[in-house]
Amino acid sequence: QSALTQPRSVSGSLGQSVTISCIGSSSDVGAYDYVSWYQRHPGEAPKVIIYDVNKRPSGVPNRFSGSKFGYRASLTISGLQAEDEADYFCYSFAGSYYDVIFGGGTKLTVL
Amino acid sequence: QVQLQESGPGLVKPSETLSLTCAVSGDPINSASSYWTWIRQPAGKGLEWIGRVYTSGSTNYNPSLARRVIISIDTSKKQFSLKVNSVTAADTAVYYCARESPLRGSDYFYMDVWGKGTPVIVSS
Repeated sequence: QSALTQPRSVSGSLGQSVTISCIGSSSDVGAYDYVSWYQRHPGEAPKVIIYDVNKRPSGVPNRFSGSKFGYRASLTISGLQAEDEADYFCYSFAGSYYDVIFGGGTKLTVL
Repeated sequence: QVQLQESGPGLVKPSETLSLTCAVSGDPINSASSYWTWIRQPAGKGLEWIGRVYTSGSTNYNPSLARRVIISIDTSKKQFSLKVNSVTAADTAVYYCARESPLRGSDYFYMDVWGKGTPVIVSS
């Protein structure tokens, strides 16, 4: 399985919105709604912020939202805050118990 | 609050065995609703799933690594472990342990709790 494709970096100004894409295939993102997004600050443990394409775990602000269209999943962060500056990576189920696939990760810079 | 902590040597010689342990706190580790997994990320590359162990001791491995990897669990010590045999420079990475568990309203086991990761360098 090839990794899911994410932009290496995105940026946005405080208060603005940014969208990070995660492009897969008919075998993973396009086939299943088991897509999640993770946030990772330097030196910290990754944190799940979106699962099942568009659900948020308790405690995650509603500024974070997820969506999917075909092979493309997206994470949108609205009302950017300084603490949103982090790495974000996507994840998808790909058909079997050993088929789990990640995106390459996107570094978000808040200007 | 569930917490995971990876530990092990940060430097391993080529052809030797990489051994890491993940200590689990805040979770009984022997629950049927939790699986325990290892993931790694080489510098500049994406995350790669290595494999998982169930509380029964059964395992699943990434087919690309299966010949060199062993994951085991010790419920009495509340920890699980990773061994990678015959390492090369390509095994240099940050290694993460994580719990897989269903999140609210989902029937899928997501990696919902991660450790902070531990870097491992393979070099002589």
